[in-house]
Amino acid sequence: GAVVSQHPSWVICKSGTSVKIECRSLDFQATTMFWYRQFPKQSLMLMATSNEGSKATYEQGVEKDKFLINHASLTLSTLTVTSAHPEDSSFYICSASPPRTIVPYEQYFGPGTRLTVT
Amino acid sequence: AQSVTQLGSHVSVSEGALVLLRCNYSSSVPPYLFWYVQYPNQGLQLLLKYTSAATLVKGINGFEAEFKKSETSFHLTKPSAHMSDAAEYFCAVSDLGRADGLTFGKGTHLIIQP
Repeated sequence: GAVVSQHPSWVICKSGTSVKIECRSLDFQATTMFWYRQFPKQSLMLMATSNEGSKATYEQGVEKDKFLINHASLTLSTLTVTSAHPEDSSFYICSASPPRTIVPYEQYFGPGTRLTVT
Repeated sequence: AQSVTQLGSHVSVSEGALVLLRCNYSSSVPPYLFWYVQYPNQGLQLLLKYTSAATLVKGINGFEAEFKKSETSFHLTKPSAHMSDAAEYFCAVSDLGRADGLTFGKGTHLIIQP
């Protein structure tokens, strides 16, 4: 149980284009989803937190107009990198939390999406 | 703001030896602490978590960690290392102010020598 999937697992796009990454909780409803970014050989940095049906809360320094997050349902959140540039190349990882009343203080992580912008 | 410090970006141990990965945290509120493992090009897998219950927490794959408030530490241990334990390990603290968004340490790469 508690499986989170991401699609695609890797994507290459040209500079200036947009790319969408999907994050799905497969066997539970996620009231909250998180998006992290991981640079090579570095730690994960929280980019934003999203709750179903609400606007995402972005961390300081993360451009909300560049990284569009949509949490349309309790099992799906999407991250769209708009007008991508080579510096956006990274490993993007999502996580999903079930309601605290079910499993408190736990996040289940997706396998990540490797984005390369050429 | 909360922070996590992992001492040692790389730790090398022999197969069968004790594994000790260090984690110190800074938090203005009682923390919830986690250890995750990441294998190459994969997401994170939860090893164990501390959420204000027992200070000695047992996790999967024979790992355990002890919460020591006086030392602000949450070190990860395993009595006997296996080759399959080679991976990246991350300590993290939960920030309740960010709806449980996690602050991660920089990670420790565990190398197992045969």
